[in-house]
Amino acid sequence: QSVLTQPPSVSGAPGQRVTISCTGSSSNIGAGYDVHWYQQLPGTAPKLLIYGNSNRPSGVPDRFSGSKSGTSASLAITGLQAEDEADYYCQSYDSSLSGSLVFGGGTKLTVL
Amino acid sequence: QVQLQESGPGLVKPSETLSLTCTVSGGSISSYYWSWIRQPPGKGLEWIGYIYYSGSTNYNPSLKSRVTISVDTSKNQFSLKLSSVTAADTAVYYCASTSGYVRWGQGTLVTVSS
Repeated sequence: QSVLTQPPSVSGAPGQRVTISCTGSSSNIGAGYDVHWYQQLPGTAPKLLIYGNSNRPSGVPDRFSGSKSGTSASLAITGLQAEDEADYYCQSYDSSLSGSLVFGGGTKLTVL
Repeated sequence: QVQLQESGPGLVKPSETLSLTCTVSGGSISSYYWSWIRQPPGKGLEWIGYIYYSGSTNYNPSLKSRVTISVDTSKNQFSLKLSSVTAADTAVYYCASTSGYVRWGQGTLVTVSS
């Protein structure tokens, strides 16, 4: 059971918009810790997609955006493309676990 | 830009100790926190623990009794030891720098089998 909760799967047609939620608690996201998002393609290491809740590293398309409110965060992907089909993970820290790094369980995005 | 490379045996016998080393290049290990993260086949990511260059550590409570992470600043390396392994410890093991977000190594598959 992951400290951060994500839906196991989401799907959308090409061109559509999808969102992936990441729900935490008052000891992690709600405590003010930043949320970061990663995209993982099969057989590869996760790739940083969003850092500091809503910032994109250079090279990440502006189709990807992040937000945070209260004890939750969200990743939005607009203009879905076939290449976006991947696993997505959120990550933060947790004060109840002595500052441990915590991940969401991951969300499989299927492009229909 | 810091790069990380894991090294160590790809096969470990049950009840033995898994040992991996991460070599940091392109930057000094005397900054950031340095973590080990693993991913069992077909499953999600699990943080194992981190170490600061000074030697202070923080471990995942679920693995704490079996984990030791150490650092060798002279070699720009940090290491993982996981004792009494079982098949459940079979995973891709990533080393990473973790100050805020994670900067990942490429990962190495470790299989626990006799």
